[in-house]
Amino acid sequence: VLTQSPGTLSLSPGESATLSCRASQSVTTNFLAWFQQKPGQAPRLLIYGASSRATGVPRRFSGSGSGTDFTLTISRLEPEDFAVYYCLRYGSSPSFGQGTRLEIK
Amino acid sequence: QVQLVQSGAEVKKPGASVKVSCRTSGYTFTGHYIHWVRQAPGQGLEWMGWIKPNSGDTKYAQNFQDRITMTRDTSISTAYMELSSLRSDDTAVYYCARVNDQGLPDYWGQGTLVTVSS
Repeated sequence: VLTQSPGTLSLSPGESATLSCRASQSVTTNFLAWFQQKPGQAPRLLIYGASSRATGVPRRFSGSGSGTDFTLTISRLEPEDFAVYYCLRYGSSPSFGQGTRLEIK
Repeated sequence: QVQLVQSGAEVKKPGASVKVSCRTSGYTFTGHYIHWVRQAPGQGLEWMGWIKPNSGDTKYAQNFQDRITMTRDTSISTAYMELSSLRSDDTAVYYCARVNDQGLPDYWGQGTLVTVSS
């Protein structure tokens, strides 16, 4: 089970966001990804392997962590970054976190 | 370029079945597993299962074990997800996703809205 916190994060453009994803068991081989989802769209891959940025993802998105605790950091928020973010333990039996909504303050 | 194109929206009555297709292009269909994920209105993402197109092997999430069937047609590079005994809480957008060799979903379909209503 993946638990994301906070459920909702209210910030202003230009600020930094820190999103947490905690696993009930260690995520071996760091098969942990982060996705961004906007209304009416499919999820977009941001981070894989806990810390590798997917192709085309801006440098302000960074992932860190290992074992059971993972973090997505978005520095200098842009207006287009306000969305819902999901972590995913991937592999043969994937599991999603419940999501963090990043909203404009 | 890699594309996954899903079938259109469906409206079904409780107790009926729905079959969603996922037509792929731009890569070797048999070289990548296809996963299915759903999202109820205003809710999070829920993994449903996968199919290995090369062999037809499947693995389903426990929540769907009794009423889900995933198949594929390699001749047209298309995967299918059929869900039976539909209930109102099956109303959701259903996504297919291609995964890489580590099981990471790297390309997604556009989603198919299935509405279950009497």
